Amino acid sequence: AQSVTQLGSHVSVSEGALVLLRCNYSSSVPPYLFWYVQYPNQGLQLLLKYTTGATLVKGINGFEAEFKKSETSFHLTKPSAHMSDAAEYFCAVTGKAAGNKLTFGGGTRVLVKP
Amino acid sequence: EAGVTQSPTHLIKTRGQQATLRCSPISGHTSVYWYQQALGLGLQFLLWYDEGEERNRGNFPPRFSGRQFPNYSSELNVNALELEDSALYLCASSMGQRLTDTQYFGPGTRLTVL
Repeated sequence: AQSVTQLGSHVSVSEGALVLLRCNYSSSVPPYLFWYVQYPNQGLQLLLKYTTGATLVKGINGFEAEFKKSETSFHLTKPSAHMSDAAEYFCAVTGKAAGNKLTFGGGTRVLVKP
Repeated sequence: EAGVTQSPTHLIKTRGQQATLRCSPISGHTSVYWYQQALGLGLQFLLWYDEGEERNRGNFPPRFSGRQFPNYSSELNVNALELEDSALYLCASSMGQRLTDTQYFGPGTRLTVL
């Protein structure tokens, strides 16, 4: 079985400040990890994903995440927050034997203060 | 290129009725996934269809069913609606069956059960 924990259901950052969203996973098989963003009244948009290879993954809109196997983490960062980053962010995991099922964390809602 | 489309946008039903939700995948995609996003329960995997076959099913009762048509579009049917079925239902599609294939999400159908 796989699971994802996102620490902090709400995060508030100032415009221009670092954005750090935490994601820890549990998986009995090598994980494939994803970050998605959901803007109000919209579906999910992929920010980035880790499958194999380089553990530092760069995504769209200036976001990046680092896969740390020893810490079972896949935290998402962005050096400088923009007002347009206000949204809900979801970390997800899948792996062999998961039947292509994405298991999502509970989500983190980001508020950006001017 | 058109993204994943879903219809209707909103659907209001009463307890005991049946609901039918529709999804058209991105052109060239053969896999379709259904997820439920309910308040307080987060995003949960419902079903995965590929090449017209059900490949995986989440932990939902049998009154949640679906199918995939030869043109790869899909329907989700929910029978004997209950109040707790009220949720946003998201459809996603991917190019193939590989775990690393990105799932692209549609905007969702919001189902309200009165």
